[in-house]
Amino acid sequence: QVQLQESGPGLVKPSETLSLTCTVSGGSISGYYWGWIRQPPGKGLESIAYIYYTGRDTNYNPSLKSRVIISVDTSKNQFSLKLSSVTAADTAVYYCARRLHGSGGDFDPWGQGTLVTVSS
Amino acid sequence: QSVLTQPPSVSGAPGQRVTISCTGSSSNIGADYDVHWYQQLPGKAPKLLMYGNSNRASGVPTRFSGSKSGTSASLAITGLQPEDEADYYCQSYDSSLSPWDVVFGGGTKLTVL
Repeated sequence: QVQLQESGPGLVKPSETLSLTCTVSGGSISGYYWGWIRQPPGKGLESIAYIYYTGRDTNYNPSLKSRVIISVDTSKNQFSLKLSSVTAADTAVYYCARRLHGSGGDFDPWGQGTLVTVSS
Repeated sequence: QSVLTQPPSVSGAPGQRVTISCTGSSSNIGADYDVHWYQQLPGKAPKLLMYGNSNRASGVPTRFSGSKSGTSASLAITGLQPEDEADYYCQSYDSSLSPWDVVFGGGTKLTVL
């Protein structure tokens, strides 16, 4: 079955850009939407952005939109997240997930998550 | 503050029935948008539990059920098991945020006594 794996630096300095990649295995990235969700330590879930596999349809959480870029690389079966000008408030476990439908759809499956700490 | 409101915690003894509510408004659940539920076991990633209000995801036991009425949705667990101890989150669509469409509840911690 489809599996997702996040990768990227676990430590990012304040004001720098957080960059994460999600690698999809066991299936094609084609035909689906793909998203990023984060969870600050001890807190709830916050969806960040999602993208259609063609890259033509993207949607961003308004609270983060000015700092986020989501992209997809179908040749590598990967999609990526860039979050700029990070602060300590961006410290969280970042999950990638598949979304069957764009608007209103659920997220399934999820990656195991990767903890990103923002600190100097 | 989440658009969807969940109780911070619920508890029950093994074998009992518990329900977790997810209360929204006329711009999300009340507008007949689907509600999805996730289970997050301690230290693990969330896992889809219920989709489209009342459909169990693959492999989910039948003792989990979902429903929706008016501006609220509920997740019910009958025959509570120790392994059900986890955090549960609801997710839906909110038209007031359009074009953005993903809203999560704040999460509910289920304790099995």
